[in-house]
Amino acid sequence: SQQGEEDPQALSIQEGENATMNCSYKTSINNLQWYRQNSGRGLVHLILIRSNEREKHSGRLRVTLDTSKKSSSLLITASRAADTASYFCATVPTAGGTSYGKLTFGQGTILTVHP
Amino acid sequence: EAQVTQNPRYLITVTGKKLTVTCSQNMNHEYMSWYRQDPGLGLRQIYYSMNVEVTDKGDVPEGYKVSRKEKRNFPLILESPSPNQTSLYFCASSSILADEQFFGPGTRLTVL
Repeated sequence: SQQGEEDPQALSIQEGENATMNCSYKTSINNLQWYRQNSGRGLVHLILIRSNEREKHSGRLRVTLDTSKKSSSLLITASRAADTASYFCATVPTAGGTSYGKLTFGQGTILTVHP
Repeated sequence: EAQVTQNPRYLITVTGKKLTVTCSQNMNHEYMSWYRQDPGLGLRQIYYSMNVEVTDKGDVPEGYKVSRKEKRNFPLILESPSPNQTSLYFCASSSILADEQFFGPGTRLTVL
């Protein structure tokens, strides 16, 4: 089964509003990554947060990680129509485990930002 | 330009006809991986490679083969394609596993 599960599956907002997406996972991780995909194209890396970090910022993106709850959230502030895309979390397991080497993606959140 | 390339980008084939999808990266990355993307299922890892001659199964390896004879190339082989392998396929690479992945543009495969 998928390690990363995302919530909500779809999100529709107006330009200027904030968008929050959540990701839950099941096993110990080395890091968690967020990716963006525009309409069936290749995924683009957005931000990486390591297991010993709790919060990270990059431009209008803010990512939090709660390892005790095995969850992460991605916040996009002041959204723009150009942010319309699918967003995926991906988990990298801790080294030494049987699943080391596997990168597991969630099912994604479809974000629509209306002008 | 640093990139991951895949060929072909689109392919329509028939059941049982062997095919290979190539993947190449020019960033000297050690880690490479193949994923398939299906509606409602997100991306699922097929195979990955930690380095030359080192490959391992992902979550959905059945019906696929890979090889890693050179660091830059990681072809995906479907020996006998079936309709349930109709999907969008992505190759990705990273310097090491615990680093951001660079994705190719995708290969849309249809098996009739």
